[in-house]
Amino acid sequence: DVKVTQSSRYLVKRTGEKVFLECVQDMDHENMFWYRQDPGLGLRLIYFSYDVKMKEKGDIPEGYSVSREKKERFSLILESASTNQTSMYLCASSALAGGPSGELFFGEGSRLTVL
Amino acid sequence: DAKTTQPNSMESNEEEPVHLPCNHSTISGTDYIHWYRQLPSQGPEYVIHGLTSNVNNRMASLAIAEDRKSSTLILHRATLRDAAVYYCIPMYSGGGADGLTFGKGTHLIIQP
Repeated sequence: DVKVTQSSRYLVKRTGEKVFLECVQDMDHENMFWYRQDPGLGLRLIYFSYDVKMKEKGDIPEGYSVSREKKERFSLILESASTNQTSMYLCASSALAGGPSGELFFGEGSRLTVL
Repeated sequence: DAKTTQPNSMESNEEEPVHLPCNHSTISGTDYIHWYRQLPSQGPEYVIHGLTSNVNNRMASLAIAEDRKSSTLILHRATLRDAAVYYCIPMYSGGGADGLTFGKGTHLIIQP
């Protein structure tokens, strides 16, 4: 079974701190994605990556950056956390975005609270 | 603009069929229709997908309208474990991030 593992289920950080959210997948997937989920807003795409060292902005990239140095690992970085970044963060991977093999596999999520 | 329209919530009784509708009137000819569900305190999980023909798997059936502007996810006998938020997403078959943002989905409530 595909496994997408997010490093922390729950984090509490202070405003201005640098925050790293780590995601690892074990199925050699090309594509990895970071979403945030807020009540009433669904899942919104922050950044995605189709290859090592490659990244593309999603719908809400402001305040975030990402790093993909190895194929299996995709990190989301909050350079200076703010209270409006309090949210559930979900990582996903897929063999191919869209299409018959475009199934997305999600991690369990990381709930970040910024005080 | 929302790419999909789904009811905010639906309610059904246990062991009865459930039909979850989705309108995707702006879908292109190469977009596959994917459905995911999200159980409480978990990440979304894949349910089913299709292009033009109706599809069946062990979890559900997907009925796609002839004009592809709408689809219906069918749970043949709902159980309490099917209570979740269900999302339909048109996904471009050629890759890219189009369609990879999920809408608000339908919150399915199952009554015992």
